Amino acid sequence: RKEVEQDPGPFNVPEGATVAFNCTYSNSASQSFFWYRQDCRKEPKLLMSVYSSGNEDGRFTAQLNRASQYISLLIRDSKLSDSATYLCVMTTDSWGKLQFGAGTQVVVTP
Amino acid sequence: EPEVTQTPSHQVTQMGQEVILRCVPISNHLYFYWYRQILGQKVEFLVSFYNNEISEKSEIFDDQFSVERPDGSNFTLKIRSTKLEDSAMYFCASTRGPEEGQETQYFGPGTRLLVL
Repeated sequence: RKEVEQDPGPFNVPEGATVAFNCTYSNSASQSFFWYRQDCRKEPKLLMSVYSSGNEDGRFTAQLNRASQYISLLIRDSKLSDSATYLCVMTTDSWGKLQFGAGTQVVVTP
Repeated sequence: EPEVTQTPSHQVTQMGQEVILRCVPISNHLYFYWYRQILGQKVEFLVSFYNNEISEKSEIFDDQFSVERPDGSNFTLKIRSTKLEDSAMYFCASTRGPEEGQETQYFGPGTRLLVL
């Protein structure tokens, strides 16, 4: 089983629609969780941290379920600029090493 | 806004040659990292560096790899004798610390290395 598993997509989303996807992880010792976005051939950029209580940043909502070992991301009112690969990322040790999923591709269409 | 910078943006080298990839982390950050991403694959951790020494390294980071912080600003990754499979995008990242609230890692734009 992969340590961090994501549906690769692509999720084809009409502009203005809502899209949601999950990421599952196998290491119960995972400590901190993040969603990063990566545009083609660019560096990963932090979208948001993910907390057990759930958190929202504008049109983006993230949830963490430690019992079932998954995190989720929901994007409301999708914009064309939301087209990217969304990376599920977590730390598993005190040195901050990041472990990445392979990413979920989202394509927002006009 | 402060950012991590990397040079060069692209590097083409012959197999067996040495390459040095350079990074300038954000100035008040204390933890530094190198990651790589082979085309079409996920981002992989290579090494973390704190207090002028390696704190953790992955299986990928074998004897051909080394890191250095030669002065107060630069952080370098050296590959001694490049192999074809070293072709990848190499990202440098830095953070103030792994403690909650400070753990956000900021990535540089990457160096695309092509080994022929």
